[in-house]
Amino acid sequence: ELKVEQNPLFLSMQEGKNYTIYCNYSTTSDRLYWYRQDPGKSLESLFVLLSNGAVKQEGRLMASLDTKARLSTLHITAAVHDLSATYFCAVSQRSYQKVTFGTGTKLQVIP
Amino acid sequence: SAVISQKPSRDICQRGTSLTIQCQVDSQVTMMFWYRQQPGQSLTLIATANQGSEATYESGFVIDKFPISRPNLTFSTLTVSNMSPEDSSIYLCSVGGSNYGYTFGSGTRLTVV
Repeated sequence: ELKVEQNPLFLSMQEGKNYTIYCNYSTTSDRLYWYRQDPGKSLESLFVLLSNGAVKQEGRLMASLDTKARLSTLHITAAVHDLSATYFCAVSQRSYQKVTFGTGTKLQVIP
Repeated sequence: SAVISQKPSRDICQRGTSLTIQCQVDSQVTMMFWYRQQPGQSLTLIATANQGSEATYESGFVIDKFPISRPNLTFSTLTVSNMSPEDSSIYLCSVGGSNYGYTFGSGTRLTVV
């Protein structure tokens, strides 16, 4: 059974600082997704990572995938308050369409 | 990416009753997925719905409690039956594929009293 773990679960950081959220998964997969969820809202797709070594960047967020280590990272550069949200990674296995979500990381950026 | 219209956005229901949630997609899709998100938790897959066949339920979810219909390639419903307060959650539908990611409906916030 595929398990997906994120750490930290909660992250409080000051504006302007850098930090990384980690996503570990338990079985072979080369498809990983990052989502953002604001309170009371649905999920917004941030990144789709489809191969080992994939790196994608959008604004202050950069995501990478290491399939050999079964690890993805979401790096936040010079955080701003607007990035406060819950971030989920999710993993699917090539043969299956269904997706398993990580535990989520609640990020609070303090001015 | 596909656009999903999900209804209702929220509801407050009496225990023992049922609620049907609808998702309409603006394009034809093979698979639709239904998730539950309990308060402060991550998303858990309830079932995968293919058009023209029975939905495939995940461990811990049964058809009698969460019947799903998929009458065509753009529409699906999830019913939460014989509700109890433990069913209070956000329910989300999703479409997409492993090669290009998944889109989610706006969610249905269900409170059972």
